[in-house]
Formats: sequence, structure tokens, C-alpha cells
Amino acid sequence: EPEVTQTPSHQVTQMGQEVILRCVPISNHLYFYWYRQILGQKVEFLVSFYNNEISEKSEIFDDQFSVERPDGSNFTLKIRSTKLEDSAMYFCASRDRVTDTQYFGPGTRLTVL
Amino acid sequence: AQSVTQPDIHITVSEGASLELRCNYSYGATPYLFWYVQSPGQGLQLLLKYFSGDTLVQGIKGFEAEFKRSQSSFNLRKPSVHWSDAAEYFCAVRGGYQKVTFGTGTKLQVIP
Repeated sequence: EPEVTQTPSHQVTQMGQEVILRCVPISNHLYFYWYRQILGQKVEFLVSFYNNEISEKSEIFDDQFSVERPDGSNFTLKIRSTKLEDSAMYFCASRDRVTDTQYFGPGTRLTVL
Repeated sequence: AQSVTQPDIHITVSEGASLELRCNYSYGATPYLFWYVQSPGQGLQLLLKYFSGDTLVQGIKGFEAEFKRSQSSFNLRKPSVHWSDAAEYFCAVRGGYQKVTFGTGTKLQVIP
């Protein structure tokens, strides 16, 4: 069964550094999303992406964040200058028109020191 | 704005007992409703979803949920819980084609 994959599974970085989290959505999906889950808290929406542009973003998704689909298979989330409070599990999701359901990847745990 | 409330933070049930996890949502029109399960250190797995039609939906692993518009609820049920069901369960609502809003989750503990 096709699934969303994410790399790396765990990323440790120093405050102020740039990180890129990578996702490979399910191949025939056209809608892509990033969510995050701070430890012990609920899953929060960050951004949705369709047709090579952001279609919706939350107030969390400020200028430090950006998303890109650099090729036909990858979908990335970049955090330009990480802060301690960016430490969280980041989930990528993709959706197709047929099932109209978002399928989530296993997540990348980001630790900012 | 859409929102989800899961009033139970933590529930403990005995193996073999029945289970009901509560979920209330807020959304102005007919919502798209989901239940996801997250095992420790794992991602979010879709258990079931409701878009329209029959208000009782069946999901994977023997779970079902019932949509009650009058109560704005979408409670998850299972007749007989197995130890492997111990996990965190998230109810979620999507109002359109974009973001999914999650509840705070209910941690399920299963005791022998």
C-alpha cells in the first residue's frame, strides 16, 4: 500500500540554524500539508500546498517557514532560523481527489538545542 | 472557526471491555470528520472517516463511530478492546478542502 515517507526521522540542530524536512507524498496525490505536534500537545496545521503554491497557512507559519516542491516527488519544509520552540514532531500529509482523505507520514522529530 | 473537543484526556479499560471515546466538534456546515490513532513514536493512522450518508461508519481494527448532528458529536466505539489498542486517539474535523483541525487526543490504556 502506498504511503507518505519522511526523512530524516530525527533531526537535531542548533538554535539559529536552517533545517529542511523532507517528505515524499503518495505519488498520485496533488494536495500536500505540513502539521506539527509539540510534545504533549495536539497536532496543529501549518500549511497546505497545491499546484505549486500555498493555498492556506496558519498563524504559526511565519516568515521563518517556507515550503517547496523542488521536483515531481519531494515536498519540503524549511525553517530558516530555528528557535527552541520549533522543537516538535513535524508531519507531512498528502491527499488525493478520489478518497478526499489526508494520509500522514511517520513524522520527523526536530530537536532544537 | 472549526474546533474539536475531546473531553477525556486519559481512559483506562480492561482488555475485552467495550470502549467509547467522546468527540464533539464545532463547524457551521456539514463537517468532514475523522478519527486517527497514534502509537508511541509513530505517525497518525486513519481509523475511519465520515463525509456523508450513513451516520454509523465502520473503520479498521474493529472500530466504528457514529455521527450525531443534533449533538455535534462523533464518538468512537469498539465492542471489545485488545491490548494492542493502547495508543492515543485523535478526533479531527475538516471544514473544506484544506486544513484538518485536531482535538487534544485521548490516551487509551488497556489493562489485563
